[in-house]
Amino acid sequence: RKEVEQDPGPFNVPEGATVAFNCTYSNSASQSFFWYRQDCRKEPKLLMSVYSSGNEDGRFTAQLNRASQYISLLIRDSKLSDSATYLCVVNPGLRGGSNYKLTFGKGTLLTVNP
Amino acid sequence: EPEVTQTPSHQVTQMGQEVILRCVPISNHLYFYWYRQILGQKVEFLVSFYNNEISEKSEIFDDQFSVERPDGSNFTLKIRSTKLEDSAMYFCASTRTGEGGGNYGYTFGSGTRLTVV
Repeated sequence: RKEVEQDPGPFNVPEGATVAFNCTYSNSASQSFFWYRQDCRKEPKLLMSVYSSGNEDGRFTAQLNRASQYISLLIRDSKLSDSATYLCVVNPGLRGGSNYKLTFGKGTLLTVNP
Repeated sequence: EPEVTQTPSHQVTQMGQEVILRCVPISNHLYFYWYRQILGQKVEFLVSFYNNEISEKSEIFDDQFSVERPDGSNFTLKIRSTKLEDSAMYFCASTRTGEGGGNYGYTFGSGTRLTVV
């Protein structure tokens, strides 16, 4: 099983659509979870951290299910500017064997069309 | 907003040559990292650096690679004898804390595109 696995995509949606990204991780002891966004040939940028209780930031909602080792991201009312690659990212933490590194999924490309 | 600065933005080098990629992390950050991304592939961890020493490195980070913090601001990645497969985007990052950077995550620099010919 890959360390972090995401929907391969790509996703093409019209403006205003709701789109969901799924991710699974293999290290059950992992401590910290994130969604990053990466525009073409640019650096990854933090979109949001993901908590067990779930968290919401405007149109974006992230969920974590530790029992299933599953992370999700929901984008509502998608905008043209949401077009990017969405990266699921896990940090094992001290209990997971590494306090330092981030493990990235390959990413899912989203294109929002007018 | 504080930034991580990387130079150069693009470097072309001949196979077998040494390259040094430079980074200026955010000034009050304590943890520094190098990641790379081969075109079309995922972002991969290379090395982390804390308290003036390597805290963790990946299998990719072999004897050809080294990191240094020569002064209070710069953080460099040296590749001693470049190979074609070293062609990639190299990202420097810094964080205030470990464990993924906590709620603030990582701040990545805009990257250096290394092309080995």
